[in-house]
Amino acid sequence: DVKVTQSSRYLVKRTGEKVFLECVQDMDHENMFWYRQDPGLGLRLIYFSYDVKMKEKGDIPEGYSVSREKKERFSLILESASTNQTSMYLCASSPQGGYYGYTFGSGTRLTVV
Amino acid sequence: RKEVEQDPGPFNVPEGATVAFNCTYSNSASQSFFWYRQDCRKEPKLLMSVYSSGNEDGRFTAQLNRASQYISLLIRDSKLSDSATYLCVVNGLRSNYQLIWGAGTKLIIKP
Repeated sequence: DVKVTQSSRYLVKRTGEKVFLECVQDMDHENMFWYRQDPGLGLRLIYFSYDVKMKEKGDIPEGYSVSREKKERFSLILESASTNQTSMYLCASSPQGGYYGYTFGSGTRLTVV
Repeated sequence: RKEVEQDPGPFNVPEGATVAFNCTYSNSASQSFFWYRQDCRKEPKLLMSVYSSGNEDGRFTAQLNRASQYISLLIRDSKLSDSATYLCVVNGLRSNYQLIWGAGTKLIIKP
């Protein structure tokens, strides 16, 4: 089975801190994605990557950046954390083509205080 | 209009009943369709893909209606463990590998 691993399950950070969320997948998938999920708003795409060193903005990229130096690893960076970035962050991966759906990591629940 | 729309529910259904929900999508060129299940405070997990001719997996049946641009999920003989949020997913306008997610339909199965 594809495994997508997110580095932390729960995280508490202070306003203004730089925050790194790490995601690793072990099935050689080309595509990787970062979403945030808030009650009533569903999944919102922050950034995605379809290849090493390639990235594209999703629907809500403001305040975030990403890094994909290796195929298996996709990092989400909150440049200066703010309280409105308190959320559940979900990483996903998929093979090329998009016909097989995504596999998600177990999520990181980030609280910014 | 949202790209993927679902009734948020909750649907409160007695155990053993049959329940169905629909989802509408706006991109007539969409080719990939899925139903995901998400338990409270957990990640979404793929329940089933939806094929043009419709498909079944045990108690679950998925249908696609391209003319009316909706997909449906039918759950027969519902179990308490079916309680979850069901997400409708369709491939997006920007690329085939980018999926667009509905906000989900909450299902509660009561004993």
